Amino acid sequence: SQQGEEDPQALSIQEGENATMNCSYKTSINNLQWYRQNSGRGLVHLILIRSNEREKHSGRLRVTLDTSKKSSSLLITASRAADTASYFCATDASGGSNYKLTFGKGTLLTVNP
Amino acid sequence: DGGITQSPKYLFRKEGQNVTLSCEQNLNHDAMYWYRQDPGQGLRLIYYSQIVNDFQKGDIAEGYSVSREKKESFPLTVTSAQKNPTAFYLCASSIPSGYSPLHFGNGTRLTVT
Repeated sequence: SQQGEEDPQALSIQEGENATMNCSYKTSINNLQWYRQNSGRGLVHLILIRSNEREKHSGRLRVTLDTSKKSSSLLITASRAADTASYFCATDASGGSNYKLTFGKGTLLTVNP
Repeated sequence: DGGITQSPKYLFRKEGQNVTLSCEQNLNHDAMYWYRQDPGQGLRLIYYSQIVNDFQKGDIAEGYSVSREKKESFPLTVTSAQKNPTAFYLCASSIPSGYSPLHFGNGTRLTVT
């Protein structure tokens, strides 16, 4: 079952613009993570936000988490052509030692030079 | 450099044949995972292992089998019972903690005709 759903499915912007992607999920979580995937490659971890955190920054990335709405957003500021990739949210709703992540379907971001 | 190696990158098989995908990591991680990705879809969990000699079924385990005899290795066998085996397969590893990012290999693209 897929816990997270990203929105929009695809996003096309110009270099220098900001890109915002959203993720909604269904059940209570321990943490939410964002990953990036270049075409034909594996996923790369970007940022993790815990359920008791509301906002987190890493370089040009800003992630927010609203547990009351069961949603998160990823903002990429001053985008570059190299940011072109698919972005996935992943949630950890596991208990105890049974750690596993459930991924959404992703947002395909295209940054035009 | 530490990382996860999946081999081969591309694999072609005839219908009815079993095929084994390799995944090796030198990150000293206890937990390993297998995900399947179909075009335009998110990742779906096939099997995961929190420790050597132990593994659990994920959301779509039918038609797949795994073994975890060594900490470094978590091979996935796609059996002839898997009805739709053509897909992109991703292996990942992590510390088995609730706040650990997953480290991914670069995937194996399996085509069954």
